[in-house]
Amino acid sequence: NAGVTQTPKFQVLKTGQSMTLQCAQDMNHNSMYWYRQDPGMGLRLIYYSASEGTTDKGEVPNGYNVSRLNKREFSLRLESAAPSQTSVYFCACQTSDSYEQYFGPGTRLTVT
Amino acid sequence: AQSVAQPEDQVNVAEGNPLTVKCTYSVSGNPYLFWYVQYPNRGLQFLLKYITGDNLVKGSYGFEAEFNKSQTSFHLKKPSALVSDSALYFCAVRDGWTRFGAGTRLTVKP
Repeated sequence: NAGVTQTPKFQVLKTGQSMTLQCAQDMNHNSMYWYRQDPGMGLRLIYYSASEGTTDKGEVPNGYNVSRLNKREFSLRLESAAPSQTSVYFCACQTSDSYEQYFGPGTRLTVT
Repeated sequence: AQSVAQPEDQVNVAEGNPLTVKCTYSVSGNPYLFWYVQYPNRGLQFLLKYITGDNLVKGSYGFEAEFNKSQTSFHLKKPSALVSDSALYFCAVRDGWTRFGAGTRLTVKP
């Protein structure tokens, strides 16, 4: 079992470029999440998906879009990257009963 | 208001000494509380949770946490720290969605 996988591990973008961060889980959980981690700010929720076919905004959704492609996959898209989106991005899935979350290894994104 | 707070950015302890990493929360009702650990260049790993029941919760790697409703706290503890415990620790509370504290960097010195 791979758990939660994310691609790519690293990415450098120029301002205005677009990209999609991929996330997949083999834990068969319904809920999936995208967070960004910035120094001194903990993790902030960008978007989440409670089940296949549904997505909802989190705390900091501006500048991002998501797609829940199927139960396994949840992608995050930056349509026009900005330097303020330089961050480490984590995907997670969550158990339905006790709300434990399991995280991927992260994507380190730099926007110049 | 912030749902979860970790008042210390940094905690330093000597190997073999007990450690405490503090967390307070501010949600209504009965909280779901969590601790996660993050090692360098890795994602967060679940350590333990409190949902209901015994106020002392035991988790992975010898860690435990004490839920105190009157003080709205959920401090992480370990009786004897190891150098390998050095990492970033996050407290979290479920309040609609899961909200994370800013993190506390624990350094255990030999």
